Amino acid sequence: SQTIHQWPATLVQPVGSPLSLECTVEGTSNPNLYWYRQAAGRGLQLLFYSVGIGQISSEVPQNLSASRPQDRQFILSSKKLLLSDSGFYLCAWSGGAPRYGYTFGSGTRLTVV
Amino acid sequence: AQKVTQAQTEISVVEKEDVTLDCVYETRDTTYYLFWYKQPPSGELVFLIRRNSFDEQNEISGRYSWNFQKSTSSFNFTITASQVVDSAVYFCALRGPTKDAGNMLTFGGGTRLMVKP
Repeated sequence: SQTIHQWPATLVQPVGSPLSLECTVEGTSNPNLYWYRQAAGRGLQLLFYSVGIGQISSEVPQNLSASRPQDRQFILSSKKLLLSDSGFYLCAWSGGAPRYGYTFGSGTRLTVV
Repeated sequence: AQKVTQAQTEISVVEKEDVTLDCVYETRDTTYYLFWYKQPPSGELVFLIRRNSFDEQNEISGRYSWNFQKSTSSFNFTITASQVVDSAVYFCALRGPTKDAGNMLTFGGGTRLMVKP
């Protein structure tokens, strides 16, 4: 069966520090991968998605970046965090067929101080 | 363009009450897929149900039921005899028919349900 792992679960980082969040999927190949952010009490904002190794599409301009160095690995990064980067970050994967929804990771709660 | 609207941002009920969460969608596709997700306080989004556009049969799963009405573009979710454990944010979502990379889930803004004991 397919599983998705996301870590760390919580993170407190100072302003200006770098960020690296990792997401890996097991039990499937060539998944579509997604990074979402959810501000406190708000909805889901799609940040990046990827349909293959090295293929990244950005949905919103900001100081975050994403990379997909391996088929089942998706990394969210920042060189210098801002206070506004605080939030709950969710990774998700889906198969290619549209009848499938997304399967989400357990999320990372990031607080920038 | 696709759009999903969950007009109720917050609902508060007392345990054992029935509650309906509304979801209205817009799409130009004739084939599409609708979903409901639950986000408990822990944060992870949990898949609840998928419905495709050519199957308008309503579904019941225990205390949960879904009413899909294509004529009104609605896919409402009812919890019968609510329990405190039902407290969560619920998201309705829509996905189009193609395998294109750009065919992504479109989420509604979510409805926060609070069930008080």
